Amino acid sequence: KAGVTQTPRYLIKTRGQQVTLSCSPISGHRSVSWYQQTPGQGLQFLFEYFSETQRNKGNFPGRFSGRQFSNSRSEMNVSTLELGDSALYLCASSLARRGGPHPRNEQFFGPGTRLTVL
Amino acid sequence: LAKTTQPISMDSYEGQEVNITCSHNNIATNDYITWYQQFPSQGPRFIIQGYKTKVTNEVASLFIPADRKSSTLSLPRVSLSDTAVYYCLVGPMNRDDKIIFGKGTRLHILP
Repeated sequence: KAGVTQTPRYLIKTRGQQVTLSCSPISGHRSVSWYQQTPGQGLQFLFEYFSETQRNKGNFPGRFSGRQFSNSRSEMNVSTLELGDSALYLCASSLARRGGPHPRNEQFFGPGTRLTVL
Repeated sequence: LAKTTQPISMDSYEGQEVNITCSHNNIATNDYITWYQQFPSQGPRFIIQGYKTKVTNEVASLFIPADRKSSTLSLPRVSLSDTAVYYCLVGPMNRDDKIIFGKGTRLHILP
């Protein structure tokens, strides 16, 4: 089974521009989460989508947004880029079971998109 | 969400058993403990998950004492390829709750 794929793998932008990153989850996974990773702040949760709806959100400004399509593929967008947005952006997918209680499902991470803002 | 505390870094040698302890004093009754491993420039990878006592899989063992206020990830006979950052996560069973990663433990295996 193919893993989580993210495109592009590397991206260079300049301040003020916007960027869209794409994530294709593992087939059958309906939950997609996005994380930002920087050396100083570590791995930080951005948001999670399930069935085309955002069901969790981290503490990031409104410049960071996302969406999920009916095939579970997800995109995240960052507008008005700042130097501090330079980071590795990771996408993770998981099965989402109904009912409970049960432990949070294992997340499968993609290789990430390395964004550099100049 | 329960706060976790783990050592920032650890060094060990090839062939040794490595134990990484995570403290989670305010763990709740319905919290599970999960460990992830991350290699440089890659996304984290699930290692093991448990609720109490001991869990073992082909990669590691997870020891959880009766009070559940800490947990220990045990890696048997490490190799250089085990050099990575290890994250301890504690979170509830509710599927709607977000996952929070801490700073992790940077494990460096020496030859």
